[in-house]
Amino acid sequence: NAGVMQNPRHLVRRRGQEARLRCSPVKGHSHVYWYRQLPEEGLKFMVYLQKENIIDESGMPKERFSAEFPKEGPSILRIQQVVRGDSAAYFCASSAVGVSATNEKLFFGSGTQLSVL
Amino acid sequence: EDQVTQSPEALRLQEGESSSLNCSYTVSGLRGLFWYRQDPGKGPEFLFTLYSAGEEKEKERLKATLTKKESFLHITAPKPEDSATYLCAVRAMEYGNKLVFGAGTILRVKS
Repeated sequence: NAGVMQNPRHLVRRRGQEARLRCSPVKGHSHVYWYRQLPEEGLKFMVYLQKENIIDESGMPKERFSAEFPKEGPSILRIQQVVRGDSAAYFCASSAVGVSATNEKLFFGSGTQLSVL
Repeated sequence: EDQVTQSPEALRLQEGESSSLNCSYTVSGLRGLFWYRQDPGKGPEFLFTLYSAGEEKEKERLKATLTKKESFLHITAPKPEDSATYLCAVRAMEYGNKLVFGAGTILRVKS
């Protein structure tokens, strides 16, 4: 009964490289969220996806960042041309129901720690 | 601006010393207040959801309560294994699809 799986756990990139973060939601969950956690700060919403659709990307920078959740396979958060300020822990969460459901419960993965040199 | 404030930032307790953590929010259209526990190097682990003022939920040594402007996480007779960062998060009409998190309270329980 696997929970949310994220990989890699740690990712080191040099400035200008691309970072690809993967998230496999809980089996049967069709709602996926990405959050970023900076040191000494709370988790910040980035994007909300439902199978093959981006529902809300209001928390994601318009440049260099993109996310997808294809029909088959994991959700991917892609950061192009990384900069030092992108260094953070990136968490993925999934749920079986949408945000308007009263029994909504988000399950989080263990995160990917991105370090940009 | 999103406003979910947790206090204190850090709390040190002796084993068995009960206390409370606070989460205050300024939204008017609350749709749910969530409490999570986060251990170092791990993702947040769900504890409770509260939906309306006056609601209370309990799990082992933890009890969460909700008023119109804040929530409390009461820890009764804590043990060292309760040491973690406790996060609260708010879902509200004005936040749309976002779950807005507070910065957390770091709890350390010494034996």
